[in-house]
Amino acid sequence: SQKIEQNSEALNIQEGKTATLTCNYTNYSPAYLQWYRQDPGRGPVFLLLIRENEKEKRKERLKVTFDTTLKQSLFHITASQPADSATYLCALDRSNTGKLIFGQGTTLQVKP
Amino acid sequence: GAGVSQSPSNKVTEKGKDVELRCDPISGHTALYWYRQSLGQGLEFLIYFQGNSAPDKSGLPSDRFSAERTGGSVSTLTIQRTQQEDSAVYLCASSLDPRAKTQYFGPGTRLLVL
Repeated sequence: SQKIEQNSEALNIQEGKTATLTCNYTNYSPAYLQWYRQDPGRGPVFLLLIRENEKEKRKERLKVTFDTTLKQSLFHITASQPADSATYLCALDRSNTGKLIFGQGTTLQVKP
Repeated sequence: GAGVSQSPSNKVTEKGKDVELRCDPISGHTALYWYRQSLGQGLEFLIYFQGNSAPDKSGLPSDRFSAERTGGSVSTLTIQRTQQEDSAVYLCASSLDPRAKTQYFGPGTRLLVL
């Protein structure tokens, strides 16, 4: 069956360091992949979308890579700040209708 | 501008009761999605509306769950004869159209079935 896996354990890093989050998927060939941020008690907020023909996408301190051979996306936050502390979700669209399949999310804690 | 709104924000009900959850999408968004997020779990797709087309109900977990979207805008998710395993956060999202990719989520309704 189609599956998306993210680091289940929380990621704790020091302010100023680069955070790297992993998203792996199986039995699927998505045309694009998305990353969302979710704060406690809130709905997810869209961050970045990367298409299958794009190797890398950047937005300010965020960088996403997409390796369709490895079936993996990496999400990087450079110069991390305590305000970056949240849960980060990756999501795939299995039928190009917007019906997203989400990973369980990785919780990032940035310590000052 | 106004984002996606959902009501109520919290709902506590007794097992066996029916509940209705409401979603107001962003004005002009033709696509509307319902997801469920259980404790420690990822978001699970439930149902999808696009314009006046028949909804995609492929994610509904049982026939106790139903949803409608009136006038292409407001949507209501109904859970009949609630069970304790229905306890979760129910999230609604809308997008300009399915090709727009970016989904805008509401804050969710936290449902607790006692």
